[in-house]
Amino acid sequence: YELTQPPSVSVSPGQRASITCFGERLGRKHAYWYQQKPGQSPVLVIYENDKRPSGIPERFSGSNSGNTATLTIRETQTMDEADYFCQAWDSSAGVFGTGTKFTVL
Amino acid sequence: EVQLVESGGGLVQPGGSLRLSCAASGFTFSSYVMNWVRQAPGKGLEWVSYISGRGSRKYYADSVKGRFTISRDNAKNSLSLQMNSLRADDTAVYYCTRALHDYDDYFDGFDAWGQGTMVSVSS
Repeated sequence: YELTQPPSVSVSPGQRASITCFGERLGRKHAYWYQQKPGQSPVLVIYENDKRPSGIPERFSGSNSGNTATLTIRETQTMDEADYFCQAWDSSAGVFGTGTKFTVL
Repeated sequence: EVQLVESGGGLVQPGGSLRLSCAASGFTFSSYVMNWVRQAPGKGLEWVSYISGRGSRKYYADSVKGRFTISRDNAKNSLSLQMNSLRADDTAVYYCTRALHDYDDYFDGFDAWGQGTMVSVSS
């Protein structure tokens, strides 16, 4: 099972941006999203498609339908610049997306 | 405060073995599924292995099946990964992770991560 993300996404500060994650019938599974800044461990920012863990800003949101899960960041801040990975479970195995380098220009 | 501290990484020759450990604190360890996730230098994340809270269910990525063994000691709040027949493509930072919810056996997100331990496989 594979999850495909765009290699890079760029946005200007204060703008809204979306990162997609494509997988066959992904909408039938739970999608998770992680943020990883250079030299740091990943942080869970969205779980079960659209839920935010405590401490994650409200500007992070998620959706999942059909074959695509989407992470949306509104009012983007420079601190949001990071690598983002989607993740799901398939046939008792964890699967991560290919990763997206998110740049705030 | 939830803490996960990995240890045991290092340099090993191809075909060698290594045992990683993860010391957990700040939560009821036995109530949570635990996973190992790795990241090769400059690459993305790769799930490695899953173990249920009571240790009765274990799953492995195809890339490590038959070579790696996950285990846990709930009395010692400790998670382990025994890695045998190591190959160059096992070179990575290995993260110990905790599942988000305190369900004994559930495929969940990873809400707590250790700082990682580096494993290098090279002659």
